[in-house]
Amino acid sequence: QQQVKQSPQSLIVQKGGISIINCAYENTAFDYFPWYQQFPGKGPALLIAIRPDVSEKKEGRFTISFNKSAKQFSLHIMDSQPGDSATYFCAASKGSARQLTFGSGTQLTVLP
Amino acid sequence: NAGVTQTPKFQVLKTGQSMTLQCAQDMNHEYMSWYRQDPGMGLRLIHYSVGAGITDQGEVPNGYNVSRSTTEDFPLRLLSAAPSQTSVYFCASSGGPGGDGYTFGSGTRLTVV
Repeated sequence: QQQVKQSPQSLIVQKGGISIINCAYENTAFDYFPWYQQFPGKGPALLIAIRPDVSEKKEGRFTISFNKSAKQFSLHIMDSQPGDSATYFCAASKGSARQLTFGSGTQLTVLP
Repeated sequence: NAGVTQTPKFQVLKTGQSMTLQCAQDMNHEYMSWYRQDPGMGLRLIHYSVGAGITDQGEVPNGYNVSRSTTEDFPLRLLSAAPSQTSVYFCASSGGPGGDGYTFGSGTRLTVV
């Protein structure tokens, strides 16, 4: 059972465009929703995270939008740059152990 | 400050062999985890620990063993390697629920032939 569903699997965007990646979750006990960025040959790195008491969080060009009633959250990358080309994973966790359940990943390519 | 260090970076095993993937962190984090990454499946939790002497199973624990004798180290043991265990393995650590999320190591690429 896939508890966090991520789409699209791959995304191609022109430089300067907006990249949007969507995730949906099933478990209403999840209370922490991070996004990770992974470059080839590297481990995932925390990009931005949100808790369900807010509907949006922005850090620079990266914004998380959160819809608790729809059990959905999304990552928006504004003014996308070729250096943003990477694989992005959404995740969710619950409880004190904060173990992460990951989505399947989105491979983003930003064309110069 | 090295963060999370995983060794080796690459390993080829024959079916039935055993080995230990090493993971060490120098951030005094209580929480540590092992994940495996397979194409199209994201990262799946194998085992985790919330402190020295405390471990628990994740989503895909079969064929793997862990122990946590110190805060710094969290080795993952493959008992009898199978081709289905061919994957990239990541170790991660966190300071806890109030912290800034998990820091991942750079991974071990394991091939079982």
